[in-house]
Amino acid sequence: SQQGEEDPQALSIQEGENATMNCSYKTSINNLQWYRQNSGRGLVHLILIRSNEREKHSGRLRVTLDTSKKSSSLLITASRAADTASYFCATGPNTNAGKSTFGDGTTLTVKP
Amino acid sequence: DAEITQSPRHKITETGRQVTLACHQTWNHNNMFWYRQDLGHGLRLIHYSYGVQDTNKGEVSDGYSVSRSNTEDLPLTLESAASSQTSVYFCASSKGGQNTGELFFGEGSRLTVL
Repeated sequence: SQQGEEDPQALSIQEGENATMNCSYKTSINNLQWYRQNSGRGLVHLILIRSNEREKHSGRLRVTLDTSKKSSSLLITASRAADTASYFCATGPNTNAGKSTFGDGTTLTVKP
Repeated sequence: DAEITQSPRHKITETGRQVTLACHQTWNHNNMFWYRQDLGHGLRLIHYSYGVQDTNKGEVSDGYSVSRSNTEDLPLTLESAASSQTSVYFCASSKGGQNTGELFFGEGSRLTVL
């Protein structure tokens, strides 16, 4: 079964607005990652946050992690049309097994 | 530049035929993974490998097999293709060891089983 669940399933915003996506998971994790997938392409890694971290930034991306609530959020600031894609969270297990479990994703549409 | 390549990118086959999807990475990564992605959904793990001669079943392994004879390649074989295996297949790799993180993905192989 899927570990991560993204919310909302779909999000449509205007260019320049911020986009927030959420991810909830069920069991203990070693890390949580966010990926982007453009239509018809493979997934591209965006950012990884470890279980002992609470917030991480990378350019226009901000990720938070609340292990007590088993949830994470991805914030994209000042969105651009090029940010239109599906975004997935993936959780890395505590067993250091080197495999991640993906949610069903949030489809983000940024209108110019 | 290091990369991960999948072939073929598109394939149409008939029910009952054996199909092999190739995955080749030049990252020198120990870990390799095969996922399938069905329309509108996330990725589900089929098989994975932590190194040469190591293979493990994922959550949807029935009807699939893999072999790891070298570091670079992890071919995925559908023993007898079924219509339920129509999907987009993604290969990925990661460093392994203490790094349980970043996955590097191929561009996917779209398989249609008629």
